[in-house]
Amino acid sequence: GAVVSQHPSRVICKSGTSVKIECRSLDFQATTMFWYRQFPKQSLMLMATSNEGSKATYEQGVEKDKFLINHASLTLSTLTVTSAHPEDSSFYICSGGRQGANQPQHFGDGTRLSIL
Amino acid sequence: DAKTTQPPSMDCAEGRAANLPCNHSTISGNEYVYWYRQIHSQGPQYIIHGLKNNETNEMASLIITEDRKSSTLILPHATLRDTAVYYCIVSVAGTASKLTFGTGTRLQVTL
Repeated sequence: GAVVSQHPSRVICKSGTSVKIECRSLDFQATTMFWYRQFPKQSLMLMATSNEGSKATYEQGVEKDKFLINHASLTLSTLTVTSAHPEDSSFYICSGGRQGANQPQHFGDGTRLSIL
Repeated sequence: DAKTTQPPSMDCAEGRAANLPCNHSTISGNEYVYWYRQIHSQGPQYIIHGLKNNETNEMASLIITEDRKSSTLILPHATLRDTAVYYCIVSVAGTASKLTFGTGTRLQVTL
């Protein structure tokens, strides 16, 4: 299956810091990637759709100025949590898939963000 | 996207088949059934998907009822490593389609 790589896997930083998370498609090109957030004991919640070469589409309730998404190439999407606060601590996961109507999405291993 | 309903938890003895049900009574004609699983603190892992025919791969089998209103994921010989939360999702095909995760089924495989 397609391989999606996320980096870093874990980050701990102080409140007020901005944190960038990278999501790479290693063996396919992705015009669309997705960013999810998962709080403890909860399911994944879609945050935004990352579109190569254009602006991301955010889900209702997700602040676009807080969670900056850049998808400058067909193999890399980044999520930057700006001025992070403890309530932003969560598990962030990206997904993408090969082109083709019958291709499933594959997920990265996630980034655990802890804001002190 | 159509909504799915899954039991919150199931147990299965190691070596036995695990049969995980999913109801999706409002599924549309162009929506596929996808199954993913999430092992603790990892990203979801793709298992299998199908439209209307039964499907089988190296991980599992997917049985979809003729009316497509429900499906069953079968892990033929469950192992301890299959302990995870299993998500059944319905969505139109294509990698630009959003996947909406429900609460899934927590499968516990025991000795």
